[in-house]
Amino acid sequence: DQQVKQNSPSLSVQEGRISILNCDYTNSMFDYFLWYKKYPAEGPTFLISISSIKDKNEDGRFTVFLNKSAKHLSLHIVPSQPGDSAVYFCAATGGGADGLTFGKGTHLIIQP
Amino acid sequence: NAGVTQTPKFQVLKTGQSMTLQCAQDMNHNSMYWYRQDPGMGLRLIYYSASEGTTDKGEVPNGYNVSRLNKREFSLRLESAAPSQTSVYFCASTFWAGTESGYTFGSGTRLTVV
Repeated sequence: DQQVKQNSPSLSVQEGRISILNCDYTNSMFDYFLWYKKYPAEGPTFLISISSIKDKNEDGRFTVFLNKSAKHLSLHIVPSQPGDSAVYFCAATGGGADGLTFGKGTHLIIQP
Repeated sequence: NAGVTQTPKFQVLKTGQSMTLQCAQDMNHNSMYWYRQDPGMGLRLIYYSASEGTTDKGEVPNGYNVSRLNKREFSLRLESAAPSQTSVYFCASTFWAGTESGYTFGSGTRLTVV
């Protein structure tokens, strides 16, 4: 059973507008949530993270929101730029060393 | 540049052949991981090493073995390759596992088994 779900395989947004990527999880033991960005033929690169004791974390154009009661998090990118076109993975960890659990990813396409 | 280095970048194997994927990091990270990525499946954990001298199975360990050679190196071995192991393999490492610290990934090994 999938513990981290990204229900939108793709998302198209106009340049300059806000991109909102969503992620849901089922495991209430997850303590930390991370977003990764991946370009074709490259490895994923870390973007931003949030601890379960927070509800918002901001880094430049990127903000992650966490709603623990709904087991939902979202990544906001404002304003969206052409270089943001990539696959975005949501990931979570329960605080142990046993790795990250990933969603299936959302392909973000920024239209000029 | 500091980071995670994977070799080879591409490999084609025949069914039944064996090979070892190499991974090395120079960031003094404690924990290392092997993931595979298949179309529409996201990244799935194969094996991990929480610290030097330890290894554990992840979500999809069947058909693989690993060796944590030292703190820097973590290799993944396919003893008898099968077409179902055609995938892109990523190695990752982190200093503080289980925290909000990001993992650093290598650029991947694209493996095709025919």
